[in-house]
Amino acid sequence: GQQVMQIPQYQHVQEGEDFTTYCNSSTTLSNIQWYKQRPGGHPVFLIQLVKSGEVKKQKRLTFQFGEAKKNSSLHITATQTTDVGTYFCAGDNDYKLSFGAGTTVTVRA
Amino acid sequence: SQTIHQWPATLVQPVGSPLSLECTVEGTSNPNLYWYRQAAGRGLQLLFYSVGIGQISSEVPQNLSASRPQDRQFILSSKKLLLSDSGFYLCAWTLEAFGLAITGELFFGEGSRLTVL
Repeated sequence: GQQVMQIPQYQHVQEGEDFTTYCNSSTTLSNIQWYKQRPGGHPVFLIQLVKSGEVKKQKRLTFQFGEAKKNSSLHITATQTTDVGTYFCAGDNDYKLSFGAGTTVTVRA
Repeated sequence: SQTIHQWPATLVQPVGSPLSLECTVEGTSNPNLYWYRQAAGRGLQLLFYSVGIGQISSEVPQNLSASRPQDRQFILSSKKLLLSDSGFYLCAWTLEAFGLAITGELFFGEGSRLTVL
């Protein structure tokens, strides 16, 4: 069945630095969604990408959907302490939304 | 506006005891409803989904069951809990779906943290 893999599993970032988390699927996706879960909280929707090669920005966050629609990335610039949490990608194929294991981000002030 | 409520927030249960987690959605009609489980440091595993009253589909064989007695009510149950049932259970809903395909935003409840001892 479909699997969505995320790397890295953990990301320790110095405040002010940039980082990228990656999401890869074993099959072509119809769309991909990204969620953020703060420590102790529940996942909150960030964005959905549908088109091949699509790029969307939300302030310091840049989301990209690969040309083959099998991978995606989230790039955060000038990391802040408010960026702490776990970022999940979720791929939709064959009528199932499969979540990756997430990238847990910690920030050093 | 739509809201989702999930309870209890925290639960500590002995092995072999029953379980009932409840989820209700307000401000919308005929949502698709989902139960996910999140083990520590892991992703979200889909357990059950429902596209309508009385309709339940199971994704993972286990000793859990789900029911949808009303349009906006989703219940997760177990007759006898196992140690492996410990985890963070999340109820979620969406209006934008085709079958199980979620074509829009998925809204999560605040979760129920279950510890089985």
